[in-house]
Amino acid sequence: AQSVTQLDSQVPVFEEAPVELRCNYSSSVSVYLFWYVQYPNQGLQLLLKYLSGSTLVKGINGFEAEFNKSQTSFHLRKPSVHISDTAEYFCAVRMGGSEKLVFGKGTKLTVNP
Amino acid sequence: NAGVTQTPKFRVLKTGQSMTLLCAQDMNHEYMYWYRQDPGMGLRLIHYSVGEGTTAKGEVPDGYNVSRLKKQNFLLGLESAAPSQTSVYFCASSQGGEQFFGPGTRLTVL
Repeated sequence: AQSVTQLDSQVPVFEEAPVELRCNYSSSVSVYLFWYVQYPNQGLQLLLKYLSGSTLVKGINGFEAEFNKSQTSFHLRKPSVHISDTAEYFCAVRMGGSEKLVFGKGTKLTVNP
Repeated sequence: NAGVTQTPKFRVLKTGQSMTLLCAQDMNHEYMYWYRQDPGMGLRLIHYSVGEGTTAKGEVPDGYNVSRLKKQNFLLGLESAAPSQTSVYFCASSQGGEQFFGPGTRLTVL
């Protein structure tokens, strides 16, 4: 069965610092990978996705992620965070041929002034 | 386009009461999903539907029922609510990969 591991449940950083949120998945078949962001008291919105092609994917709000097949990872990065990036971030994987997503347990990013 | 909408936004129930959560989407998507979100647990799939008239169990289906009588609507029912069902419920729809989420329903069972 597929599983998604987000290694850090909470990540505190200072404004303008770089951040990396880690995501590893387990699957022996081709996968599609997603990062969603959830701002307080809101639903989830798509940050970026990897379906095929270039392993470096750019998303909204200056975020990017790199698909590493050999390490089964899809880490999310931003070179300089803002207070407004404070939110919970979810990594998700979809196995080829299925529409269902399997989510990680989330990482709460807190950006401090 | 409204995208995915959910009603109600908030609800408080007493143990044993029943209720139905409504999800509607205007994107003509075939697939729809119901998730629950609990602190530290991420999103867990309750039930899903791959098209009008079809439903299937997800990861945590016990205590819930669903119906998809119309393509644009996906209903989640609780026949006899329990405190363990206190959660935030999200509906989503998809076609071709990306899932689009509603704003959520916060349910408290006393």
